Amino acid sequence: GAVVSQHPSWVICKSGTSVKIECRSLDFQATTMFWYRQFPKQSLMLMATSNEGSKATYEQGVEKDKFLINHASLTLSTLTVTSAHPEDSSFYICSALGRGYNEQFFGPGTRLTVL
Amino acid sequence: QQQVKQSPQSLIVQKGGISIINCAYENTAFDYFPWYQQFPGKGPALLIAIRPDVSEKKEGRFTISFNKSAKQFSLHIMDSQPGDSATYFCAASSGSSASKIIFGSGTRLSIRP
Repeated sequence: GAVVSQHPSWVICKSGTSVKIECRSLDFQATTMFWYRQFPKQSLMLMATSNEGSKATYEQGVEKDKFLINHASLTLSTLTVTSAHPEDSSFYICSALGRGYNEQFFGPGTRLTVL
Repeated sequence: QQQVKQSPQSLIVQKGGISIINCAYENTAFDYFPWYQQFPGKGPALLIAIRPDVSEKKEGRFTISFNKSAKQFSLHIMDSQPGDSATYFCAASSGSSASKIIFGSGTRLSIRP
């Protein structure tokens, strides 16, 4: 099956710094990638949808200037949390949809802790 | 109308028993209903999915029952095993899997040996 990786798997940073999370489709070309946030013992909430080469579409209530998404190639999307604060601490998960597939494949997630 | 309601929040089942998780939706535009399994610290993985043109889909020990008129669907895990202990999410989307997926609140399933 199709594999999606995320890097790093976990990150700890100081309040006010920026953190970049990478999402890669390893064996297929991802035409669309999705970014989710999951707080402890809660469900996944979609943050944004990105198509290769175009601007991301953000869900209502998600600050696009705080959560910068770049989908520069068919195998890589990045999420940058700018000026992170403790309330941004969460589990960030990406998923990818590729040509010829009819399901989204999820990455293993990135645990962000902001001190 | 975008919500998918899931119950129960947690479930404990004896090994070998049947685990049943229920979901309900309001948006009649939904036409794809996947179930995901998530282990602690991992991303969710697709378990089984159904479209509303069928009332049941079975894959191994996992069965989805779908009631279009009631706008409800459920996951049955037969012969539940300790390795099935995980959090299960029902979900729904419209159009295709390329559309955004709306997740239920999740059910934490524990299988007692």
